[in-house]
Amino acid sequence: EPEVTQTPSHQVTQMGQEVILRCVPISNHLYFYWYRQILGQKVEFLVSFYNNEISEKSEIFDDQFSVERPDGSNFTLKIRSTKLEDSAMYFCASSPTVNNSPLHFGNGTRLTVT
Amino acid sequence: RKEVEQDPGPFNVPEGATVAFNCTYSNSASQSFFWYRQDCRKEPKLLMSVYSSGNEDGRFTAQLNRASQYISLLIRDSKLSDSATYLCVVNVGNYGGSQGNLIFGKGTKLSVKP
Repeated sequence: EPEVTQTPSHQVTQMGQEVILRCVPISNHLYFYWYRQILGQKVEFLVSFYNNEISEKSEIFDDQFSVERPDGSNFTLKIRSTKLEDSAMYFCASSPTVNNSPLHFGNGTRLTVT
Repeated sequence: RKEVEQDPGPFNVPEGATVAFNCTYSNSASQSFFWYRQDCRKEPKLLMSVYSSGNEDGRFTAQLNRASQYISLLIRDSKLSDSATYLCVVNVGNYGGSQGNLIFGKGTKLSVKP
């Protein structure tokens, strides 16, 4: 079964540094998403992306965040200047359509900001 | 105001037991509904979609009551492998057709004991 893959599995960075989290969505999927989950908290929507542009973003997704699909397979989340509170599990997801189709999540990148 | 509310549990049940989880959602415009399961420090995985008429998948039965904004999940003949956190998930489906903005509950923890 095709999977969404994310790298790295764990990223440790110092406060103020830039990080890029990488994702390879399922190949025939057209819609891509980033979610995050702070330890012990609920999963929260960050951003959705379709046709090379952001289609929706949450209040969490401020100017420090950006997404990009640099080529035909990768989908990245960049955090420009990390803060301690950015420490969380970041999940990438993809879906073939938006019509009530469930999302397929990657296994996540654990970001630790020190 | 919590958008998707669940009893956090934990529910500790013996193997073979029947267990039910409930969930309420606040946005009456919610369009689609799901149950996901999440194992410790892993990604959410779709368990089942929830349809207005109710639906069953093996030992799992989901019900939706739109008037009461209430969703339920029933697990029959529980197995040790059912131990996980069960996430109630709602899709409001707003903005430009993007329906990937899933609203997650915090989850109900289930522990099935031998």
